[in-house]
Amino acid sequence: KAGVTQTPRYLIKTRGQQVTLSCSPISGHRSVSWYQQTPGQGLQFLFEYFSETQRNKGNFPGRFSGRQFSNSRSEMNVSTLELGDSALYLCASSSGGRDTEAFFGQGTRLTVV
Amino acid sequence: QKEVEQDPGPLSVPEGAIVSLNCTYSNSAFQYFMWYRQYSRKGPELLMYTYSSGNKEDGRFTAQVDKSSKYISLFIRDSQPSDSATYLCAMSDQRTSGTYKYIFGTGTRLKVLA
Repeated sequence: KAGVTQTPRYLIKTRGQQVTLSCSPISGHRSVSWYQQTPGQGLQFLFEYFSETQRNKGNFPGRFSGRQFSNSRSEMNVSTLELGDSALYLCASSSGGRDTEAFFGQGTRLTVV
Repeated sequence: QKEVEQDPGPLSVPEGAIVSLNCTYSNSAFQYFMWYRQYSRKGPELLMYTYSSGNKEDGRFTAQVDKSSKYISLFIRDSQPSDSATYLCAMSDQRTSGTYKYIFGTGTRLKVLA
């Protein structure tokens, strides 16, 4: 059974640009959550999508947005990149029901210069 | 005060030692508790998943949850150099919507010395 796939693995962008990250969940999983991981703040919740609908949202500015497609694949977009957006972006996949675990991908390491 | 507190370490132990990793939390609504292991430049890997209070054992790993004290622990028996990683605790309240907003600790860096 394939795990959670995130692409690309590494990205270097310039301040002011925008970026799109992709996440393919485990087959059959309908929930995809996104997290930002930085050395200072640890893992912070961005948002969660279930069946193409955003179910929950963390405390990030509107520059961070996402969407989910009918095949459960999800994309995260960050506009007007800032240096502080440099981080490891992780997506987690779960079935979406109660009492089930979340499995993470390897992450996309974004560097903003 | 953060919702979840975790000692960042680093924690260095000799091979074969019993390791105890801990997290405290402030939100009494948390019901689901997870431990993840994260190697450098990799995504977190789920180790243990427990619901409410009690103990759960899986091989060399034992997870304990004490909701009355708002305290969770992960014990690693017969620790190996391959256990050297950052261990993250995570917890959530899925009672209402079943959504997966996990709150993570900052992680404890563990080094097992051969």
